[in-house]
Amino acid sequence: AQTVTQSQPEMSVQEAETVTLSCTYDTSESDYYLFWYKQPPSRQMILVIRQEAYKQQNATENRFSVNFQKAAKSFSLKISDSQLGDAAMYFCAYRVPGANSKLTFGKGITLSVRP
Amino acid sequence: DTEVTQTPKHLVMGMTNKKSLKCEQHMGHRAMYWYKQKAKKPPELMFVYSYEKLSINESVPSRFSPECPNSSLLNLHLHALQPEDSALYLCASSQLVTSGGYTFGSGTRLTVV
Repeated sequence: AQTVTQSQPEMSVQEAETVTLSCTYDTSESDYYLFWYKQPPSRQMILVIRQEAYKQQNATENRFSVNFQKAAKSFSLKISDSQLGDAAMYFCAYRVPGANSKLTFGKGITLSVRP
Repeated sequence: DTEVTQTPKHLVMGMTNKKSLKCEQHMGHRAMYWYKQKAKKPPELMFVYSYEKLSINESVPSRFSPECPNSSLLNLHLHALQPEDSALYLCASSQLVTSGGYTFGSGTRLTVV
């Protein structure tokens, strides 16, 4: 069974600084997708960034980038120039291709941003 | 339109009531999902619909009854709920065969009294 592990329940970062959120996963599949979702107090789950396992290049979306280490099964999220609006719960998630595949979430990490 | 719309945003119901949650998307996604989320926890999958047919039921109690009347609409009918069913109910949709993530709605905050 696939599992996603986020071992840090909480992190804090100073505004304008950089923070890295950790995620590891376990799978026997060779083809899969990894995601980071953000859930602010407004409740909506927002897709931050995604990575296809077959791509060696790390995904980047503006201030958000990932460090994807396939052999180590690690998928960390780096937030640069942190802003107050980045404060939220962040979930790492995994999915295999296919009609009935399920999105498997980690436990999440609460990120606070200090002004 | 790139949104999943859920109504109502908040719902308080008694244990003997019958109510329904509604979810709508117009992105042409053929997979739709219901999730239940407790505070500070990840979402838990309840149901998956593919091409308007129920494909996954994660052993959800029968007091929750999903319905997919068409490719854009997903309902969750609630009856005889328990206080422990109080949670945020999230709807999501996705393409079936691409690598995209799910698009989530903003949820319905349900309180059972």
